[in-house]
Amino acid sequence: NAGVTQTPKFQVLKTGQSMTLQCAQDMNHNSMYWYRQDPGMGLRLIYYSASEGTTDKGEVPNGYNVSRLNKREFSLRLESAAPSQTSVYFCASRSRTPNTEAFFGQGTRLTVV
Amino acid sequence: AQSVTQLDSQVPVFEEAPVELRCNYSSSVSVYLFWYVQYPNQGLQLLLKYLSGSTLVKGINGFEAEFNKSQTSFHLRKPSVHISDTAEYFCAVSKQGGSEKLVFGKGTKLTVNP
Repeated sequence: NAGVTQTPKFQVLKTGQSMTLQCAQDMNHNSMYWYRQDPGMGLRLIYYSASEGTTDKGEVPNGYNVSRLNKREFSLRLESAAPSQTSVYFCASRSRTPNTEAFFGQGTRLTVV
Repeated sequence: AQSVTQLDSQVPVFEEAPVELRCNYSSSVSVYLFWYVQYPNQGLQLLLKYLSGSTLVKGINGFEAEFNKSQTSFHLRKPSVHISDTAEYFCAVSKQGGSEKLVFGKGTKLTVNP
């Protein structure tokens, strides 16, 4: 049982390059999330998806786009990477019932130079 | 919109001492509350959660938390900490029903010293 799988684990980008972070869950969860973690800032919500076909902005959506490809997969795209997007990115998934807790992937450490 | 405030960014304690990590939330409706732990270079794992019912919630590794609706708080406690409890702890909130938004606090770094 893999849970939440994120790829890649590490990535270095040059300013202006684009990339997509992939996330897949095998727990049949409805909701999926993308967070970024920066020192002293905790986890900040970028986008979330309450169900297949829907996405909503979180606290820090600027510079990002997302796609809920199907129930399993939720990708995060950086169209033109900036140094301010250097961070650790976490994907999470969650069922509405019965537990409502979120399960997290292991994170993607992204450096933009 | 819901929000979470973790009042202490860092908490140093000695081994076997008690600890309390404070969390206050803001929401106009009923909420679910969570505490997560993150060990260095790892993802987050659930410590405990409050969904409904008893306000005292017990979690893994000897941690517990008390939901206080009137004070909008959900403080995490452990009566006797170990070196292995050194980690970062996050409080999180989501509304019951409606939006699936899940919001985290800024975290509290717990350091347990020998």
